[in-house]
Amino acid sequence: GPKVLQIPSHQIIDMGQMVTLNCDPVSNHLYFYWYKQILGQQMEFLVNFYNGKVMEKSKLFKDQFSVERPDGSYFTLKIQPTALEDSAVYFCASSFGTGDERLFFGHGTKLSVL
Amino acid sequence: SQWGEENLQALSIQEGEDVTMNCSYKTYTTVVQWYRQKSGKGPAQLILIRSNEREKRSGRLRATLDTSSQSSSLSITGTLATDTAVYFCATRGTNSAGNKLTFGIGTRVLVRP
Repeated sequence: GPKVLQIPSHQIIDMGQMVTLNCDPVSNHLYFYWYKQILGQQMEFLVNFYNGKVMEKSKLFKDQFSVERPDGSYFTLKIQPTALEDSAVYFCASSFGTGDERLFFGHGTKLSVL
Repeated sequence: SQWGEENLQALSIQEGEDVTMNCSYKTYTTVVQWYRQKSGKGPAQLILIRSNEREKRSGRLRATLDTSSQSSSLSITGTLATDTAVYFCATRGTNSAGNKLTFGIGTRVLVRP
């Protein structure tokens, strides 16, 4: 079936550094999402993105966070600077449209901030 | 919060048994989706039930939706060890412009072979 690829699978960085998480969404999908999950707990919505713009974002999407998808390449989540509480698994998802559309998720990037 | 007060449930069952898990939500939704997340993987959608449906079946899965009590259930019949996972329900509010899905706390299911 359709696959969402996330690169890297694990990233370890020092607090205060910048990190970019990369997502290669399903090729014909138009909507993109980032979710945050701490240690097997609830999936928490961060942001969704369509047509080059952020559609919605949650309180977890701090000012240090940004997303972009330049020229149809990777959909990225950048955190600058990182904080200890940013340690989590970040899942990217994509969907073709809205409404009742299912989301296709990647396997996640585990971010460890030291 | 989208959700009622609930903690992560954990269920341990024997292979071959049936299992039912529940979720409740606070705000109106037009659809409930159920996702399964296996260890080290992202969630994958299992089944979707709309607000005008009371029950939906797909293979060994059965989902129900009660809009009056704002609750949904997912049943798996004849469980297999490969059904071991965390199961989440997810809803989309009517005010969501970009198909924001909000996930519940989840139910951890362990199927013993």
